[in-house]
Amino acid sequence: QLEQSGAEAKKPGASVKVFCKASGHNTYGISWVRQAPGQGLEWMGWISVYNGNTNYAPKFQGRVTIIKDTSTSAVYMDLRRLTSDDTAVYFCAVSRLGYCRGGGCYLSFDIWGQGTVVTVSS
Amino acid sequence: QSALTQPPSASGSPGQSVTISCTGTSSDVGGYEYVSWYQQYPGKAPRLMIYEVIKRPSGVPDRFSGSKSGNTASLTVSGLQAEDEADYYCSSYGGRNNFVVFGGGTKLTVL
Repeated sequence: QLEQSGAEAKKPGASVKVFCKASGHNTYGISWVRQAPGQGLEWMGWISVYNGNTNYAPKFQGRVTIIKDTSTSAVYMDLRRLTSDDTAVYFCAVSRLGYCRGGGCYLSFDIWGQGTVVTVSS
Repeated sequence: QSALTQPPSASGSPGQSVTISCTGTSSDVGGYEYVSWYQQYPGKAPRLMIYEVIKRPSGVPDRFSGSKSGNTASLTVSGLQAEDEADYYCSSYGGRNNFVVFGGGTKLTVL
C-alpha cells in the first residue's frame, strides 16, 4: 500500500510538498504522476529508494525535487513556483513489475497511492 | 500536448471487440518493448492492465490484450462488458532522460 499526505491549498508562487509512504511490500523506486482536472496522466519523476537516484520529466526539471526520508521511509515530492496549471491530483506509484537496466528504468505502475489534491489559487 | 497520441474516444456494444491505438515515435513506443496500458474510473487511481506490450498482471481478465507494430501500440478489449467503460491510458519508456511518457487517454464507451 501507498499512503499519501492530505489535500493542500496553495497560492501562486508558493511551493508544495507531498509525501508518500510505502508499506507491506518492497520496491526499488517510487514515481510521481499527476492528473489535472479532466486531463490525462502526466509522469513527473522517479526516485530509487535504495540510493536516492532520481529521474525527472524534462517539463519539471528545475522545479521539482523528489527526496527520500530515511528516518520515516517516506518519499517527498517538492514542487516549486506553483501556478494555477499545477492544480491537480498528485499520485505516487510503484512499479513492482519494472526494472532498471543500462541507465534507464522501465516502469509500469501496479500500485498507486490514493492521490493528493493540490489546489493553487489566489 | 501528450507525448503519445491516442484517440479521444472509442465505443462498442456488449460482446464486441474494440481496439485503442497509441502512437509514438522511434524514441519511445517504436524503440522499446515497454508499453503499458491503464484503466481508470472517474475519481479513482489508474489500474495497470498491460505491461511490456503484451503481458497481463495477475487478476486482469484475458479479454484485455496488447500488441505493437512499429511506432503504434494497441489495446484490444474483447467481449466488451459494461464494466469496461472507463478511460484508458498508454505509456511507454521514453529513454534515459524521461523514463515514462503517457498518452492523452481514450474514453471507452460501452453502448
